[in-house]
Parts: sequence; structure tokens; C-alpha cells
Amino acid sequence: HSALTQPASVSGSPGQSITISCTGTSSHIATYNLVSWYQQHPGKAPKLMIFEVNKRPSGVSDRFSGSKSGNTASLTISGLQADDEADYYCCTYAGSRTYVFANGTKVTVL
Amino acid sequence: EVQLAESGGGLIQAGGSLRLSCEGSGFTFSNSWMHWVRQAPGKGLVWISVTNNDGTVTAYADSVKGRFTVARDNAKNTLYLEMNSLRADDTSVYYCVRDRGSNSASFDVWGPGTLVIVSS
Repeated sequence: HSALTQPASVSGSPGQSITISCTGTSSHIATYNLVSWYQQHPGKAPKLMIFEVNKRPSGVSDRFSGSKSGNTASLTISGLQADDEADYYCCTYAGSRTYVFANGTKVTVL
Repeated sequence: EVQLAESGGGLIQAGGSLRLSCEGSGFTFSNSWMHWVRQAPGKGLVWISVTNNDGTVTAYADSVKGRFTVARDNAKNTLYLEMNSLRADDTSVYYCVRDRGSNSASFDVWGPGTLVIVSS
């Protein structure tokens, strides 16, 4: 079964850039351009930040960007701000109309 | 305003059944693929089910296959999740989620979630 792995935590100072990786055990990230990223603040529902690898929904800051290389996708947050402190999850299509989320990364703004 | 609102969560004994509902508003519900995603307390997101816009196509995560059934009533703008043979590890907040396309793996609208607690 497909699994996605993210680092448990990433931290940075205000104004810095950070990158969160999302690596798949199978080739789903490499095969499909169907990677999305979600931001979740404590006690809140997740929010879509990036879809189809590198596209931003309306209203999402351009400080958030996505990319992929092979079977690893990445989310970069530039100009880190206090409100960026949250949990972040990647998700990909896993074939046969199923989907998989990664374990999530806690971002801390120092 | 585009919204989703889940209901039906609560405390249930292991082995029992529960039906969750999710009403959509502010968008054409009958055009949207819809998903259920859950999150155990303090844990990550887990995708569990999808249905296409008219309910003729469904899929499930292995962890719930054979126990959970997704359905929809487009006349009522409502998505359902029938959960049977509930286990303690089904304890989670259950989110109803809209797919921004069809089978796009992009979940653009989330409900606030409904908490299901399965007691053993």
C-alpha cells in the first residue's frame, strides 16, 4: 500500500524560508500531477494551500509554493510569518480512486 | 457562501452503527465529487471514502472497506456515511470534504467536522 512520509517538524525564524518534503513509497507522486497540501491550525478544519503540485487556490498567499521531483513533492513557505505556525499535510492520488495523506509536519515559527 | 455542515456524531459502543450526514450549501452539490476524511485525536488526516457526483462510483480505504458505506441524496444536497461494526480505532473527527474537480485529490471545502467516539 502507498504511504507518504513528511518530517515530523520543521522550524524557522520570521522572514526565513522553509521547505517541507513529502516522499512516497510507491510511484504515485511521480506518476500523477495530483499532489495537494493542507494547512491545519489547532482545533480547525484543514485548508487547501496547493493543488495539482504547484497551483494556488484563490486567496492563498504567493508565499506558498509547491513542486515535485520524482517521487518527492515539496511545499515551500517563504517570508515565514507567525500565522504560518500550523500542521501541514500532503496528499496524493493513489490509484483506483483512492487517496493517501502523509503523516503531517508541525511548523514552528521561532 | 460555500459551506459543508456535518452532523450525526456522538458516543457509540464498539460493534454499533452510526450514520453521519453532511449538508452542502452555496454551490451545486450535484456537480461535486465528495469525500470523507477522518482525524483521530492528536493524529493526522486519513482519507476514507469518495463518491462521484451522482453516487454511482464509490471507493474506500482498506481500513473501512466492508464496514462503511458512502451515499448521497442530491435532491437534499446531502452526503451520508453509514458506519457499521464500529471499533475503538474508528474514534475520530469526521470531515465532509468537497473535491474541487472530479477525482482531483484537491479538497477545497471542508466542514467543521463531527466527533465520533467509540467506546470499548
